[in-house]
Amino acid sequence: GNSVTQMEGPVTLSEEAFLTINCTYTATGYPSLFWYVQYPGEGLQLLLKATKADDKGSNKGFEATYRKETTSFHLEKGSVQVSDSAVYFCALSRNSGGYQKVTFGIGTKLQVIP
Amino acid sequence: DAGVIQSPRHEVTEMGQEVTLRCKPISGHDYLFWYRQTMMRGLELLIYFNNNVPIDDSGMPEDRFSAKMPNASFSTLKIQPSEPRDSAVYFCASSFGGSGNQPQHFGDGTRLSIL
Repeated sequence: GNSVTQMEGPVTLSEEAFLTINCTYTATGYPSLFWYVQYPGEGLQLLLKATKADDKGSNKGFEATYRKETTSFHLEKGSVQVSDSAVYFCALSRNSGGYQKVTFGIGTKLQVIP
Repeated sequence: DAGVIQSPRHEVTEMGQEVTLRCKPISGHDYLFWYRQTMMRGLELLIYFNNNVPIDDSGMPEDRFSAKMPNASFSTLKIQPSEPRDSAVYFCASSFGGSGNQPQHFGDGTRLSIL
């Protein structure tokens, strides 16, 4: 079956530090990969996505590259801000039996301190 | 465009009462998902619909939970009778297409507390 593994948090960084949150996946076929972000008291919202191998998704200074050879989609940001404090979810989505099938990781909490 | 709309935002009720959570998906989306989020178990998929038809309800915890989607613009998740362990944040999400390359759009959730 499909699965997504991401590092457990919490991750605590100082402002302007470099961020990496690891995500690896298991899936048959060619899934699309996503990063979602959840701010306190809100629902998940799409941060970025990549739909095929070697694609790079980017948004708000965050980047992730779809690496099929290592089945990974690691999230990076060069300089984090306090406002980036949130929970980050890696997810994959693919068509299975004619229907969309989505699998989420457990979420990684990021805390950025001034 | 309006996003996914959930109501109520907060619900506090006593054990044994019936609870109904409501969701209006984004217009034109053909998939609707119900999730539950807790500290202990994280984000769990309860059930999802395609074109108003339930496709997979294997995540529904037990018979006390039921979900319906009478039309493309409305869905309910009902718990009867409710128990304290049902306390959680319940999210509704919608998306378009079965190809798998479209993201899900989440509502802001219903925070449910069962006393």
